Amino acid sequence: QQQVKQSPQSLIVQKGGISIINCAYENTAFDYFPWYQQFPGKGPALLIAIRPDVSEKKEGRFTISFNKSAKQFSLHIMDSQPGDSATYFCAAPQFDSWGKLQFGAGTQVVVTP
Amino acid sequence: DVKVTQSSRYLVKRTGEKVFLECVQDMDHENMFWYRQDPGLGLRLIYFSYDVKMKEKGDIPEGYSVSREKKERFSLILESASTNQTSMYLCASSFSTGTDEQYFGPGTRLTVT
Repeated sequence: QQQVKQSPQSLIVQKGGISIINCAYENTAFDYFPWYQQFPGKGPALLIAIRPDVSEKKEGRFTISFNKSAKQFSLHIMDSQPGDSATYFCAAPQFDSWGKLQFGAGTQVVVTP
Repeated sequence: DVKVTQSSRYLVKRTGEKVFLECVQDMDHENMFWYRQDPGLGLRLIYFSYDVKMKEKGDIPEGYSVSREKKERFSLILESASTNQTSMYLCASSFSTGTDEQYFGPGTRLTVT
């Protein structure tokens, strides 16, 4: 099974600041890297995903950057808001099985007012 | 809206009991998943089902089994619950491919005493 290493484990950022979460993977069958967001008491939900042949994807204040040669991808949250306080999980496709994702350990983000 | 429902939000069982966790999705998804979520360990896949009566072991299948007799329903079974199975259990479903969004249920917090 492949490993997806996510850092940092937790992050405190002031309102308006930038939150950056990094992930590194070993091998994937294809380039698809989603980020899931989880609020307390809820299941995770897809936030943003990047697909093959693209090195960056932006949706509103959220941006994924992808470095294929380094096997790394990251999530940037610009102008962080208290409502962004949540746990964020990166994921990568499992190399040996179509349909399965390997998730990172998660990053708890706290945005202070 | 896609809906994934889990039979219980909270469950308390005794060591050695047989435990059933039920999950139902209403979007005719091919794939269904059972994850376990523990602090610092992220989401770990227990079992994956890609069709009725078809299943595949995930990363931590020991002590668990699954059943999928109907497309919309996926059950996780703890044959003989142990205290180290105290955790949050999340069910998810996705349409069919590895790049399809996974939709999560709200989770079941299981405590084994």
